[in-house]
Amino acid sequence: KAGVTQTPRYLIKTRGQQVTLSCSPISGHRSVSWYQQTPGQGLQFLFEYFSETQRNKGNFPGRFSGRQFSNSRSEMNVSTLELGDSALYLCASSFTGEEEKLFFGSGTQLSVL
Amino acid sequence: AQSVTQPDIHITVSEGASLELRCNYSYGATPYLFWYVQSPGQGLQLLLKYFSGDTLVQGIKGFEAEFKRSQSSFNLRKPSVHWSDAAEYFCAVVLLGGYNKLIFGAGTRLAVHP
Repeated sequence: KAGVTQTPRYLIKTRGQQVTLSCSPISGHRSVSWYQQTPGQGLQFLFEYFSETQRNKGNFPGRFSGRQFSNSRSEMNVSTLELGDSALYLCASSFTGEEEKLFFGSGTQLSVL
Repeated sequence: AQSVTQPDIHITVSEGASLELRCNYSYGATPYLFWYVQSPGQGLQLLLKYFSGDTLVQGIKGFEAEFKRSQSSFNLRKPSVHWSDAAEYFCAVVLLGGYNKLIFGAGTRLAVHP
């Protein structure tokens, strides 16, 4: 079966713009999590959604937001982009999100100029 | 504060040699523990996980890890490394009810010499 699909694969934006990243989970998975990966801060949890509800969030400013649709697809949005937002954004899915195996996508590489 | 420490940023081994990657965690209770591997330009793949029970856990690709509560450690091992094992390895923890809020270590980059 198809894995976790993230689009686009690469993205270049300028400071002050906003960006929307998309994640399609594995069929049947209802939990979607988002992570930011940077060389300086490593992998950091952004938020988790299950059945269109955000159940958990990390320590990121309000410029980072997300949502989940009824088909479990998820989007994350970053408004007023800053240079420090340049990162690999990874999406992961699982059945229920409760301490089980996570399946990661290949990520969206965002560069902010 | 809750944290995961991987003391070795970079390790180089020869092909066929044994490997041990270290991981220590700091939590009030025993968390759920994971090892993930990331190849360049790719997402993360789960190698193994520990929830409870037998403290020696077998994973994919010939990897194993041992949970030692007294040392708050969850070290990853492989008896004979292959060139294809070159990648970055991440130890991670999540607390019960954490809803996939994984806390990752900084990672250990493994290089394999032929």
